[in-house]
Amino acid sequence: KNEVEQSPQNLTAQEGEFITINCSYSVGISALHWLQQHPGGGIVSLFMLSSGKKKHGRLIATINIQEKHSSLHITASHPRDSAVYICAVRLNNDMRFGAGTRLTVKP
Amino acid sequence: DAGVIQSPRHEVTEMGQEVTLRCKPISGHNSLFWYRQTMMRGLELLIYFNNNVPIDDSGMPEDRFSAKMPNASFSTLKIQPSEPRDSAVYFCASSLVVLETQYFGPGTRLLVL
Repeated sequence: KNEVEQSPQNLTAQEGEFITINCSYSVGISALHWLQQHPGGGIVSLFMLSSGKKKHGRLIATINIQEKHSSLHITASHPRDSAVYICAVRLNNDMRFGAGTRLTVKP
Repeated sequence: DAGVIQSPRHEVTEMGQEVTLRCKPISGHNSLFWYRQTMMRGLELLIYFNNNVPIDDSGMPEDRFSAKMPNASFSTLKIQPSEPRDSAVYFCASSLVVLETQYFGPGTRLLVL
């Protein structure tokens, strides 16, 4: 079993829909990252969380340390949000990555 | 700031050759990370440096891989000798301190024939 599980693997939405991507992990962590990888391959770090919730524009990330779960929400989704979203957890000196969620937002 | 700079952006080489990937972190950042991404294994952390010192290289695949950070503004990842299974995209990222947001470079796409 992977230490970091993301769901869904693939997600297709209509423009304007509310999107939720989930990440569950099975180990104790010091921090969790949400990354966005564009179709061209570039990676952008969206959030780094160790507790609670963070918001940046239309993006919201939450983490529940007790339940070992994090969610990434996108409000009013747009075609430019189409990308692969990757959850990464930090364990001491190492990092583990989820397999990614491929999001396609159709106009 | 120019962001994290990686070179070359693409590299095609033959099995057995030495490959050197380069990274310039964002000025003032104290932590630097090397990642590898393949279709089969996704993203993997290879090694990271804090204040130019390697902290954990347990992710380095084998002895053919080595990484150095001779100063705060430059790091290299070397593969010698290269093998076809090393074909991947190699990303470098930097952060102000270890537990802060990481900024990724554009990656080096390596193909070993």
